[in-house]
Formats: sequence, C-alpha cells, structure tokens
Amino acid sequence: KNQVEQSPQSLIILEGKNCTLQCNYTVSPFSNLRWYKQDTGRGPVSLTIMTFSENTKSNGRYTATLDADTKQSSLHITASQLSDSASYICVVSDRGSTLGRLYFGRGTQLTVWP
Amino acid sequence: EADIYQTPRYLVIGTGKKITLECSQTMGHDKMYWYQQDPGMELHLIHYSYGVNSTEKGDLSSESTVSRIRTEHFPLTLESARPSHTSQYLCASSERTGDTYEQYFGPGTRLTVT
Repeated sequence: KNQVEQSPQSLIILEGKNCTLQCNYTVSPFSNLRWYKQDTGRGPVSLTIMTFSENTKSNGRYTATLDADTKQSSLHITASQLSDSASYICVVSDRGSTLGRLYFGRGTQLTVWP
Repeated sequence: EADIYQTPRYLVIGTGKKITLECSQTMGHDKMYWYQQDPGMELHLIHYSYGVNSTEKGDLSSESTVSRIRTEHFPLTLESARPSHTSQYLCASSERTGDTYEQYFGPGTRLTVT
C-alpha cells in the first residue's frame, strides 16, 4: 500500500531557531517528492519538488533532502520566522499513472514562538 | 500565487440543502482535482478531470458530483448536505513540467453542515 508518514506530528520552536521535519514513504514506483506549506484555512503551496536523481533542493530558508534508497526525505528550516508557523506536508507522486497521482502525508504542524 | 479560485470560502448550511462549491482557474490547465481534508488529516482525492467532459471518482468515496463543461470551471455539487459532509474542500489544477505534474491549490472552502 502506498503510504507517506511524517514526523513529528507537531513541533514548537523559538523564533530564529532551526528545525528538521521528517518524511518516510512507501510509494512505488516513485516519481517525485514535494514539500508543501499550508497556512491555516488556506490551500497548500509548493516549496520544493525533487525527482529520483536529486538528493537536495533549496528554496530560500527551506532545504529539502531525499534519499531514494531508504525512501526518506527531510525538510530543514533555517532561522525560523513567525510566518513559518504552518502545516508542512510531504507529498509523493508515483510514476504509474498519467494523472500524476499524489499521496499525501498528514503534515507536521509547526508553531514558531517569539 | 496560483490563479485558482474557490467560492464561497466559508459556508454554513442546514441538513438537506443542495450546495455547489465553485472552482475556477485561469491557467488553461486540463487536469483539475477536488480534495477533502479534515483537521489534522491528509488530503483525500474525491474527484478529478482530465479535461472538458471528463470526470472520474477519486480514492475516497464521496456523495458529491462534479462537472467539467469548460476548461476553467470545475464545480462540485452536493444534492443533499449532511453533517458528515462537514469538511474542508480543496480544488487544484495541474500542468506538466518536464517529467512531473505541478499541482496548484485553491484557498479551499470550509463547509459546515448543521
């Protein structure tokens, strides 16, 4: 069964600190992995997308890594800001359909305190 | 910010009413999707469309129906709303970029059925 598991479920950090969110998946055949940021009451917004051949990608203070062998990914946030408070969702796409089917994790709820 | 719009953003309605959630995009994307998301849970695909006059049911069984008469418009209808339909509904569209499909999400409609 294709699954995406994220940890931790929630995380509280102080402004200016770094943090790392984890994602494990069993989706096969693997196509790509994305990290989305979802603010409360809004739709998800894409942060990074990585294919099989990529093992790291950055978007400003966000850096995602991918280990396709162990089927693990992480999202590292540097120098956190209050606006980083949101749910971060790991999404994996399979290569088996023309739809580009996405499998969603439940997200990590990040809260940044001043 | 993606050009995909949803209305209404919030809706509180009584049991048994018929409702239509609107979704439109101005990017000319052929593929469109409807997801259902409960608090703290992953997104579940309930409907998708490859293009005009194409609609398919997603992974999660839903009593809602959809139509795709125009490329830019993908409304979702509930003929008789029930409290179990209370949820957030997210619309998305996608375009192919290289070997992947990039999905863009609307802001969502928060539906409460009393």
